[in-house]
Amino acid sequence: GAGVSQSPRYKVTKRGQDVALRCDPISGHVSLYWYRQALGQGPEFLTYFNYEAQQDKSGLPNDRFSAERPEGSISTLTIQRTEQRDSAMYRCASSLRTGFNEKLFFGSGTQLSVL
Amino acid sequence: GESVGLHLPTLSVQEGDNSIINCAYSNSASDYFIWYKQESGKGPQFIIDIRSNMDKRQGQRVTVLLNKTVKHLSLQIAATQPGDSAVYFCAENNSGGGADGLTFGKGTHLIIQP
Repeated sequence: GAGVSQSPRYKVTKRGQDVALRCDPISGHVSLYWYRQALGQGPEFLTYFNYEAQQDKSGLPNDRFSAERPEGSISTLTIQRTEQRDSAMYRCASSLRTGFNEKLFFGSGTQLSVL
Repeated sequence: GESVGLHLPTLSVQEGDNSIINCAYSNSASDYFIWYKQESGKGPQFIIDIRSNMDKRQGQRVTVLLNKTVKHLSLQIAATQPGDSAVYFCAENNSGGGADGLTFGKGTHLIIQP
């Protein structure tokens, strides 16, 4: 596609339920990043992948959060046993190449609301 | 009660004037800096970047200045237009390992007055 695509655009769930957020990066982009953005704040790094390999998951808040990118393209961020504090905008970004200084292209995000 | 995080610093400028948005970063090991623009309802969009071996870089209507001595970064927008209205974030990264994700600042809301 033309840009990074995320689905669903909005997700409302009840506390304790599991959710899966999907990211479809720009075609051919090697690296994929997950960020979380609270209202009025800058994005906060969660984890990232080069191809299918998860390189760094130090930003994941706890073990309820996990991510995968099994074929090096689409990625899924899963949050188990959701809590109200998980409510936020979850953003995915991709870059053409690996490396700390590569330009990131962000998607429009998934707005998660945990009731 | 007051909600921390909703009170973005705001910069209000007249259309046609120049805008200067400032950012202080904390990690002296950071060697790559980026400015992002985020319009309402959209994801952050890359504007311009600069590496630590430079102190100035120019793009189209934008200039980024880096002062490593005081760990300060600024974004200058020339002849501000209504389409420049957005929240602007600075971000930093470093090549020396650790977390490879960008660290974003808190953002500045730029408001253009006609």
